[in-house]
Amino acid sequence: GIQVEQSPPDLILQEGANSTLRCNFSDSVNNLQWFHQNPWGQLINLFYIPSGTKQNGRLSATTVATERYSLLYISSSQTTDSGVYFCAVGVTTDSWGKLQFGAGTQVVVTP
Amino acid sequence: ETGVTQTPRHLVMGMTNKKSLKCEQHLGHNAMYWYKQSAKKPLELMFVYNFKEQTENNSVPSRFSPECPNSSHLFLHLHTLQPEDSALYLCASSQGTGGGITGELFFGEGSRLTVL
Repeated sequence: GIQVEQSPPDLILQEGANSTLRCNFSDSVNNLQWFHQNPWGQLINLFYIPSGTKQNGRLSATTVATERYSLLYISSSQTTDSGVYFCAVGVTTDSWGKLQFGAGTQVVVTP
Repeated sequence: ETGVTQTPRHLVMGMTNKKSLKCEQHLGHNAMYWYKQSAKKPLELMFVYNFKEQTENNSVPSRFSPECPNSSHLFLHLHTLQPEDSALYLCASSQGTGGGITGELFFGEGSRLTVL
């Protein structure tokens, strides 16, 4: 099956810093999503971005499908950005919902 | 109301108990999913329902029994679980057409299960 690798596994940031999270995947995909899991366990949709670039406030994401990677940018980080960020990818030949999740990047933003 | 709601949020049960997790989506989606998240492991897909029909059973033990009475509701019936089944169980829904993955996945807040 498709392999998804996220880096770095852990990230400690001071409030106000910028950071880049990376997601590499091993095959062509037509579905890529970024999620933020808050400390209470809920997975919050950040971006649905199988290709191209999107921005939402302090967050932006870029997927270069031909090179099989996606980047999530956090600018001016805040303590509420703490949590685990997951990249999940899917391929057209798979049946519904078979997104493959990466292991996540644990982000801690300190005051 | 939030898009996908799960109850209960926390559940503690013994190995001989029978309990159920409930999920309801208010997004008008036609596909619903159960995922399992164990400590130090990536999310694992358990079951997929598309228009109330089960389309995926990812080799899940029979002590987990899903039920999807309609496109808005999904249950996970639990019986004779093992301590290693303790995990966060996440429900999700999506909208799509035909086969394949075409839409975003939206998750509920999860049900944290502890099996004693």
